[in-house]
Amino acid sequence: EPEVTQTPSHQVTQMGQEVILRCVPISNHLYFYWYRQILGQKVEFLVSFYNNEISEKSEIFDDQFSVERPDGSNFTLKIRSTKLEDSAMYFCAISTGGSYGYTFGSGTRLTVV
Amino acid sequence: EDQVTQSPEALRLQEGESSSLNCSYTVSGLRGLFWYRQDPGKGPEFLFTLYSAGEEKEKERLKATLTKKESFLHITAPKPEDSATYLCAVLYNNNDMRFGAGTRLTVKP
Repeated sequence: EPEVTQTPSHQVTQMGQEVILRCVPISNHLYFYWYRQILGQKVEFLVSFYNNEISEKSEIFDDQFSVERPDGSNFTLKIRSTKLEDSAMYFCAISTGGSYGYTFGSGTRLTVV
Repeated sequence: EDQVTQSPEALRLQEGESSSLNCSYTVSGLRGLFWYRQDPGKGPEFLFTLYSAGEEKEKERLKATLTKKESFLHITAPKPEDSATYLCAVLYNNNDMRFGAGTRLTVKP
């Protein structure tokens, strides 16, 4: 059973619509992350979340994006007013902190049409 | 600006033909260097963490090494199932991880 489950696996949305991507870690972890990977490009950091608040965010993570941990288990990424260039794989990752490898989910493929 | 650069972009090997992948970095305050494997349509899968120059880690046909400026992922006698994209990533002091663009490895039988 994967440690990190992401839903949906694939989401198609109309340009301008809002989407919510979900991440459910199996066990309690301290740190949560969202990364994205545009097709054929590198994995890019979006945001890190620690102790129920954003600890760091990249220049990509502008006002269009928000993250929440609404019920203590799910970790969500909301993208408002989606644009064509938001089409990418979005990965959730978890860690226990310190210099340990992150565990990534299988990703959500977002397609904006 | 802190950077993580991987080379080559793509590598094609015959089964059994050993080679090395390179990751060079210019990062201040390195907390760790990571190697991941990524299969198409999947998330990165953790392979190794290296913390200090001179450190080496091994797993099956893979061995990762670290110097002050670069890391190598050595692949000994690869098999077709080793075909994947190998990603290098650096952990910053603020606990954020930044990735290189990856090396796409193809091992032909």
